[in-house]
Amino acid sequence: EVQLVESGGGLVQPGRSLRLSCAASGFTFDDYVMHWVRQAPGKGLEWVSSINWISDTIVYADSVKGRFTISRDNAKNSLYLQMNSLRAEDTALYYCAKNLYGSGCFDYWGQGTLVTVSS
Amino acid sequence: IVLTQSPGTLSLSPGEGATLSCRASQSVSSSYLAWYQQKPGQAPRLLIYAASSRATGIPDRFSGSGSGTDFTLTISRLDPEDFAVYFCQQYGSSPYTFGQGTKVEI
Repeated sequence: EVQLVESGGGLVQPGRSLRLSCAASGFTFDDYVMHWVRQAPGKGLEWVSSINWISDTIVYADSVKGRFTISRDNAKNSLYLQMNSLRAEDTALYYCAKNLYGSGCFDYWGQGTLVTVSS
Repeated sequence: IVLTQSPGTLSLSPGEGATLSCRASQSVSSSYLAWYQQKPGQAPRLLIYAASSRATGIPDRFSGSGSGTDFTLTISRLDPEDFAVYFCQQYGSSPYTFGQGTKVEI
């Protein structure tokens, strides 16, 4: 059974940093592109970033480019999101999502970890 | 690519059919369009990918159609568990984008 479990969220002041983690199991992690998607409270979905299996293709949404860094450790079956210079508008539930093979859509999602940016 | 979903809210009864629309601001390449269902407090669930292919385990009352800029999700007979918010997503070009959602309510 595919499982994605996010952690690392919390309350943080504007301008500070936070690192999210996603522990994956139930599939061959290093075969798949992985993504972060976020959802502000009561709002829609926003794709944040994607990373391919060998970490040589990485893309970001313009809203986080230069501030967030996605990475993965295939030996640990883990995905990460380093978030720097956080803003109030980054407040959201952050989901880790597995790519449907050969596509760019998301066939499995974690339950999310909540990031709140507030002073 | 901006995706606009309509209507914003659909009020229906169990057993009725539902038609949800997703319109793109420019053509979605290779029909790389997906649909997701989200219930309160839950993560989204993939229903349809490549505009018309059902994801694993999705009942056949869900179907997707369309190409270019106009896409449709059809639910043939609403089951009580189908009342939720539905999002479309295009993955034909970066950045991947989502529609704002359609709420299907009783």
